[in-house]
Amino acid sequence: GAGVSQSPSNKVTEKGKDVELRCDPISGHTALYWYRQSLGQGLEFLIYFQGNSAPDKSGLPSDRFSAERTGGSVSTLTIQRTQQEDSAVYLCASSQQGASYEQYFGPGTRLTVT
Amino acid sequence: AQSVTQLGSHVSVSEGALVLLRCNYSSSVPPYLFWYVQYPNQGLQLLLKYTSAATLVKGINGFEAEFKKSETSFHLTKPSAHMSDAAEYFCAVNRPNSGYALNFGKGTSLLVTP
Repeated sequence: GAGVSQSPSNKVTEKGKDVELRCDPISGHTALYWYRQSLGQGLEFLIYFQGNSAPDKSGLPSDRFSAERTGGSVSTLTIQRTQQEDSAVYLCASSQQGASYEQYFGPGTRLTVT
Repeated sequence: AQSVTQLGSHVSVSEGALVLLRCNYSSSVPPYLFWYVQYPNQGLQLLLKYTSAATLVKGINGFEAEFKKSETSFHLTKPSAHMSDAAEYFCAVNRPNSGYALNFGKGTSLLVTP
């Protein structure tokens, strides 16, 4: 079946602009995660959605970052007033409920802020 | 906080030699531990996971890892390296109080030489 998909695959934006990154999880997966992969920081957790529960936003680096998940499926990560340090690969993953369930990762969106 | 430390950002082995990638964890509660692999220009893929069952865990592509509580370690091994094993390897532990999101190590880049 289809895996996790993300769009766009690449995004170049000017400093100060807002960007939206999209994630389509695997059908039936109730958990959805956003991570960020950058040279200096490695892989960082950003936010976690589980079903209809309030999301865990403890990994978001600043209030410029927000995310929503509509209808328990598609998720959008929004970065407002982008900064150069936001340049990274943004990864989305989904899984069934439970820690032992494998997280399936999407190919990522490479964001470059100029 | 739950965290992992990967010793050695780069490891080089000869084809056919033993692969040993080191990971130590810090956790206030029994952890769930994971190894992921990222091949060049590809997404993250789960190699294996420890979820408090057998301490010796076998994964895909001939890899295995042993959970050693006394040493707080979860090292990844493979008896005989293959050229196709060249990739970035990430150790991860489940985040506390964040559902089942993960804290990743900085990663180890494995180079396999002929």
